[in-house]
Amino acid sequence: GAVVSQHPSRVICKSGTSVKIECRSLDFQATTMFWYRQFPKQSLMLMATSNEGSKATYEQGVEKDKFLINHASLTLSTLTVTSAHPEDSSFYICSARPPTGGWQETQYFGPGTRLLVL
Amino acid sequence: GQNIDQPTEMTATEGAIVQINCTYQTSGFNGLFWYQQHAGEAPTFLSYNVLDGLEEKGRFSSFLSRSKGYSYLLLKELQMKDSASYLCAVGGAGNMLTFGGGTRLMVKP
Repeated sequence: GAVVSQHPSRVICKSGTSVKIECRSLDFQATTMFWYRQFPKQSLMLMATSNEGSKATYEQGVEKDKFLINHASLTLSTLTVTSAHPEDSSFYICSARPPTGGWQETQYFGPGTRLLVL
Repeated sequence: GQNIDQPTEMTATEGAIVQINCTYQTSGFNGLFWYQQHAGEAPTFLSYNVLDGLEEKGRFSSFLSRSKGYSYLLLKELQMKDSASYLCAVGGAGNMLTFGGGTRLMVKP
């Protein structure tokens, strides 16, 4: 099946620093990728939709200046958490959907990035 | 608005059958997905329903009633490795998925 990778898998940083997370679709091109955040024992919350070659679409309540998304190619989207604070500590997961087919073509999720801000 | 409800936790016995329910009220509907997620890992796809009825896939089955805004995931012959969170998600416009809160299933010997 389709594979989506994320890097890094885990990151610990000091408060105030910025952290970049990469999401790659390894065997298909994805014009759209999605970024989710998951707090402990909670479900996935969509943060933004990343569109190749255009601006990302952010969900209500998500600060676009704090969570910078760049979808520079058909296989790579990056999420940068700027000036991270402890409350940004979470599990960040990306997903991508193959461009062909209908809704039966599910989204494929990356393995996630666990961010801990001290 | 989007509202997707599923039980927070369930417990079942190894070898038994368990049904996890999901009800939804969403502004758009492009199908209902079930995902399995083990702690600290990404979700993995289990099933997709867009038409009413039952879809069977091995030990897992999923049912959908669009008129009732209702779905369930049925797990048969439970194994210890089935202990995980099960996420119900509704497909919407722009290929978006809206997730329910997830059901943590604990399988006991």
